[in-house]
Amino acid sequence: DIQMTQSPSSLSASVGARVTITCRSSQTIKNYLNWYQKKPGAAPKLLIYGASSLQSGVSSRFAGSGSGTDFTLTISSLHSEDLATYYCQQSYDIPLTFGGGTRVEMK
Amino acid sequence: QVQLVESGGGVVQPGRSLRLSCVASGFTFSRYGMHWVRQAPGKGLEWVAIISYDGSKKYYVDSVTGRFTISRDNSKNTLYLQINSLRGEDTAVYYCAKDGPQQLKLSWYFDLWGRGTLVTVSS
Repeated sequence: DIQMTQSPSSLSASVGARVTITCRSSQTIKNYLNWYQKKPGAAPKLLIYGASSLQSGVSSRFAGSGSGTDFTLTISSLHSEDLATYYCQQSYDIPLTFGGGTRVEMK
Repeated sequence: QVQLVESGGGVVQPGRSLRLSCVASGFTFSRYGMHWVRQAPGKGLEWVAIISYDGSKKYYVDSVTGRFTISRDNSKNTLYLQINSLRGEDTAVYYCAKDGPQQLKLSWYFDLWGRGTLVTVSS
């Protein structure tokens, strides 16, 4: 199975700050990497697919980059509504696997 | 309105069975693959199973193979997950999720999710 490792596991940042979350896969997954936002009690939401493509309706504050084994999700200017846990997911091979999540909190 | 609504969760004794349902609306259900994903309390997301648009292809994570069965009824816009021989580690919120935007093909990611149904395995 492809292991997905996210870092950090949690972070605290101020409104307006630039936030970067990284995701590393245990083997190359080309650009088959997707990012989701999960708020408590709510359905997860797709943010980025194919490593860097912004899902329709998602704020342009969110951007994804990377290929191979190393990927990044960047929030250019943190808003209070961005408080959530973020997960990466590889769609290169089954079983589909997720990173452990990064919890974003407000400083 | 484009949405997925799960149901069928509850408190179940170990070893018993349960069937989860997910009703889709607002899109042509019969043209897309569908998934089940779960999240145990305090844990991350875990993919469980996928079914192709016509039900001809099914894949599972190893930990549920032989106990879980994914199925669909396109005439009812409904996805199912039959869970047998329930174990404590099956306690989780179960989400159904629509496969990506390609019709009649699998994208292997999730572009629409339901709000989940909680399954608690306890004696």
